[in-house]
Amino acid sequence: SQQGEEDPQALSIQEGENATMNCSYKTSINNLQWYRQNSGRGLVHLILIRSNEREKHSGRLRVTLDTSKKSSSLLITASRAADTASYFCATGHTGANSKLTFGKGITLSVRP
Amino acid sequence: DVKVTQSSRYLVKRTGEKVFLECVQDMDHENMFWYRQDPGLGLRLIYFSYDVKMKEKGDIPEGYSVSREKKERFSLILESASTNQTSMYLCASSLYTGPYNEQFFGPGTRLTVL
Repeated sequence: SQQGEEDPQALSIQEGENATMNCSYKTSINNLQWYRQNSGRGLVHLILIRSNEREKHSGRLRVTLDTSKKSSSLLITASRAADTASYFCATGHTGANSKLTFGKGITLSVRP
Repeated sequence: DVKVTQSSRYLVKRTGEKVFLECVQDMDHENMFWYRQDPGLGLRLIYFSYDVKMKEKGDIPEGYSVSREKKERFSLILESASTNQTSMYLCASSLYTGPYNEQFFGPGTRLTVL
């Protein structure tokens, strides 16, 4: 399976701390995306990083991509209680057009 | 903003019933997708469509069919619902066929088959 694997499966931190989530994948990609899902809702796109990029920022989010290790990290700085959600990485593969392969997700809890 | 809507948030059906889940997007997107989401399994692609009347099987198409008669609407059909199809169903759309596409998701339909 080309499915991405997120790590850890669950993370609990205090408000104000940074949260780091990791994603590994098995086959070469053309892009990797991170999504957030609040409880019982649909997914919301957070950020996309292309295979020729190493780092990308969006507000409090920082994503890194290491294609040699087939891994990515999502860093949320200065976390807030509202960041409590599940986070998914999704990979786009050459030849798969618009299809994405999603991981199983990481549950982040931010304690007030 | 792109809006993806799904016909029901919650649905309860009986084993053997034919079930229709509808999804509508309002931004003229080419691609539409149906996923199911189960605890511990993440999102799994059932079917997707890259144009009107075009469809492709995803990873778990068995027991499902789809219909896309209009660009904005993508329907998922359970021909004869079974209890193992109890799940959260998510519809998504993306702008064009090609890489570097983000997907926009609907709120999901939680289906229970009794």
